[in-house]
Order: sequence, then C-alpha cells, then structure tokens
Amino acid sequence: AQKITQTQPGMFVQEKEAVTLDCTYDTSDPSYGLFWYKQPSSGEMIFLIYQGSYDQQNATEGRYSLNFQKARKSANLVISASQLGDSAMYFCAMREGPAETSYDKVIFGPGTSLSVIP
Amino acid sequence: DGGITQSPKYLFRKEGQNVTLSCEQNLNHDAMYWYRQDPGQGLRLIYYSQIVNDFQKGDIAEGYSVSREKKESFPLTVTSAQKNPTAFYLCASSPDRGQKPQHFGDGTRLSIL
Repeated sequence: AQKITQTQPGMFVQEKEAVTLDCTYDTSDPSYGLFWYKQPSSGEMIFLIYQGSYDQQNATEGRYSLNFQKARKSANLVISASQLGDSAMYFCAMREGPAETSYDKVIFGPGTSLSVIP
Repeated sequence: DGGITQSPKYLFRKEGQNVTLSCEQNLNHDAMYWYRQDPGQGLRLIYYSQIVNDFQKGDIAEGYSVSREKKESFPLTVTSAQKNPTAFYLCASSPDRGQKPQHFGDGTRLSIL
C-alpha cells in the first residue's frame, strides 16, 4: 500500500504568491518523522523542513512551513512568497520508528512538480 | 566542507556488463542509502546500510549488489541481471539515530548503450 501520497502531480503558482503542496501518509507507528525535499532540474535533493510526530508546533524554516494535521495524517508544505527559483520537484518523505532507535528506513512520495510563473 | 560525493556523474553500460557506482561521505554518518529514480517519478530504495559490514535490501534490490567495508563508502554494483538499469541513482547518508534528514549526493545518470 502507498505509504506517502502526493495527489498533485503538477502545480503552478504566480511569483510572490503562496502555494500549498499536499502530502498524506499512512503509518500505524506512533513515532515517525516527516521530511520535505526539493529537487531542481539539476537532480540534487535539498532538505527543506522536518516535522516530528510528537512536535507540538508546526515546523517553519524561512519561507517554508509545514501544516501538520496529525489526526488527518496530513503534512502539507506551504511556500510563501514564491520565487522563480522555487520551480522544482518537491518530495514528501517519512521515517517510521522512535527517534532513539536505529531503524531509519525512509519512504518517499511520488513528488509534485511546481512551476512558478513570472 | 563535509558532504557526499558520487561518481561518475554520467555512466554508460553495454548490455551484459556490470558497472559500479561510487558513493563516498565524510560526514561521519552511520547510515547510507541507494535510491533509484526514473523520469517523472519518486525515489525507490534499492539498499541501505546502518553499520559497516551490514546492509539490508530495499524495495527494488533485484539486479543490484552493495558492500559496506568502510563507514565512508557504499558502492552500488548494477549487475547484468538488472534488465532495465537506465535511471538516475542517488546515494544518501544520515546519522543513524534521531530524526535527522538525509544528505544526498548529486547523483549518477546511468544509460544503456
């Protein structure tokens, strides 16, 4: 079964506008971490933001914030004030298991292609 | 600067050949991973290793082999048994403990001649 779902294969946003990229996940483990990565056309994977399952507050990193709705198993990425350089593929990922253990297999979603329009 | 180095950036393979993709990290990370990415798709886990001399199969291990003789190195061999090897291969590492993000190399693009 698909553990990470990203239902938007492609998204467009006007420059300087905000955009939300959806991510839902499936796990029965109470301890897990959620990650968002950006992949420009050059191919490298860039870590953007992290949310732990026990974190009380939504994560924020500069223009990136994570709208974490635990009961709905949703971890949407919000990019504020979009820039042309934000055009890329965006991947949601999950690592199951408590932070203290060595189990750290990471599962990636299929990705969303974001295009920022001038 | 610490990081992950993958080489070569581009690799071409003839039918029936084995090829080895290099991945080296100087981040002192315990865990290392190999992913395959096909055009327009997400990452699929091939193999991962949490400690030297130990590794586990991921979701698509058939036709691939790895070794972890040193903490810094996790080479991936694409064998002739892998019938559709053309893809983008990404190596990653992370601290073994804690919810830390993975660090990725720049990838190797493998093509069949």
